[in-house]
Amino acid sequence: QQQVKQSPQSLIVQKGGISIINCAYENTAFDYFPWYQQFPGKGPALLIAIRPDVSEKKEGRFTISFNKSAKQFSLHIMDSQPGDSATYFCAVGGAQKLVFGQGTRLTINP
Amino acid sequence: ETGVTQSPTHLIKTRGQQVTLRCSSQSGHNTVSWYQQALGQGPQFIFQYYREEENGRGNFPPRFSGLQFPNYSSELNVNALELDDSALYLCASRGLYNEQFFGPGTRLTVL
Repeated sequence: QQQVKQSPQSLIVQKGGISIINCAYENTAFDYFPWYQQFPGKGPALLIAIRPDVSEKKEGRFTISFNKSAKQFSLHIMDSQPGDSATYFCAVGGAQKLVFGQGTRLTINP
Repeated sequence: ETGVTQSPTHLIKTRGQQVTLRCSSQSGHNTVSWYQQALGQGPQFIFQYYREEENGRGNFPPRFSGLQFPNYSSELNVNALELDDSALYLCASRGLYNEQFFGPGTRLTVL
């Protein structure tokens, strides 16, 4: 039962380019949609999150676009930098738990 | 304000043994969740504790159990360890707006 589908599994972007990662969910009961960044050997770090009452949220170089009717949301990383190379997870959440996607390994080539 | 801390960092056990992992939540956060992250996978929800009571559980067997203490710190106990229990165990504390902040994790290896 895969409630959250994340794509692509891996992504290579040139320095300065735009990285785009997509996430689709099934359960409309969720009301919290975060993205996490994880480096090897570390715990996931909250990057940016959105609630379903807005369609877009921007924090610095990171933007979430949210399409409630399509049950999809995406992460855009502008001006991607080598330091952004990490694994990114989308998640959907409610009052108790987060359900995570399978992750996207992002590599930014210098 | 201190973040979420976990101990130990790494642990090696043999099949059949029992293990206890510990977590201190972020200052002021009274809700703690535990997740299991297998290699190359996203974290999977184990359970959540709020004011010392379990108030949500994922698809994990009863040999996974927990505790939360009055200071909101928490323990995860796993009995009868199996090889498939080898994973990164993550503790997360819940913020005011339901954000979840994760600790660095405990890497458990079962031989």
